[in-house]
Amino acid sequence: KNQVEQSPQSLIILEGKNCTLQCNYTVSPFSNLRWYKQDTGRGPVSLTIMTFSENTKSNGRYTATLDADTKQSSLHITASQLSDSASYICVAKAAGNKLTFGGGTRVLVKP
Amino acid sequence: DTGVSQDPRHKITKRGQNVTFRCDPISEHNRLYWYRQTLGQGPEFLTYFQNEAQLEKSRLLSDRFSAERPKGSFSTLEIQRTEQGDSAMYLCASSPGTGDYNEQFFGPGTRLTVL
Repeated sequence: KNQVEQSPQSLIILEGKNCTLQCNYTVSPFSNLRWYKQDTGRGPVSLTIMTFSENTKSNGRYTATLDADTKQSSLHITASQLSDSASYICVAKAAGNKLTFGGGTRVLVKP
Repeated sequence: DTGVSQDPRHKITKRGQNVTFRCDPISEHNRLYWYRQTLGQGPEFLTYFQNEAQLEKSRLLSDRFSAERPKGSFSTLEIQRTEQGDSAMYLCASSPGTGDYNEQFFGPGTRLTVL
């Protein structure tokens, strides 16, 4: 069964600090791994898409890593801003199949 | 704004009533997806269209749910005889093609509350 698990479920960080979110996935055959940002009451917005051959990909202050051997990914947020407060959803795609979403990590950045 | 749009943004209804939601995808995107998202959870796949053809339906899509995309452009999702368990955010997404790496662009969602 394809599934994605994220940790932690939620975290609180101070503005300007860094944080790292974790994702473990089980999809077969693996095609790509995505991270989305979802503001409260809004639809998810894509941050990164990585294939099995990509170890890291950045989008501004967001850096995603992928270890296809251990089936783990992380999303690192550098120098957090208040606007980073959102849910971050890890999504794995099996080849020729639909997306499998994790439950998300809710991040709250405090001033 | 050329993104995915959904209407209405919020819907409050009484149990047993029928509701219909609309999704307008990004122009020329031939794939359209519907998802359901409950509070604190990630989106769950409901169904998707390739142009006007509905290619897959999740087991979550009971007989009370029906989706259409009659001309391969906008889509509607209807829920008949709503139940309190139907309360959720209904998200629509569109994609420009069929490849594994095509990005899905999400709309803002329709928040349904069934009283």
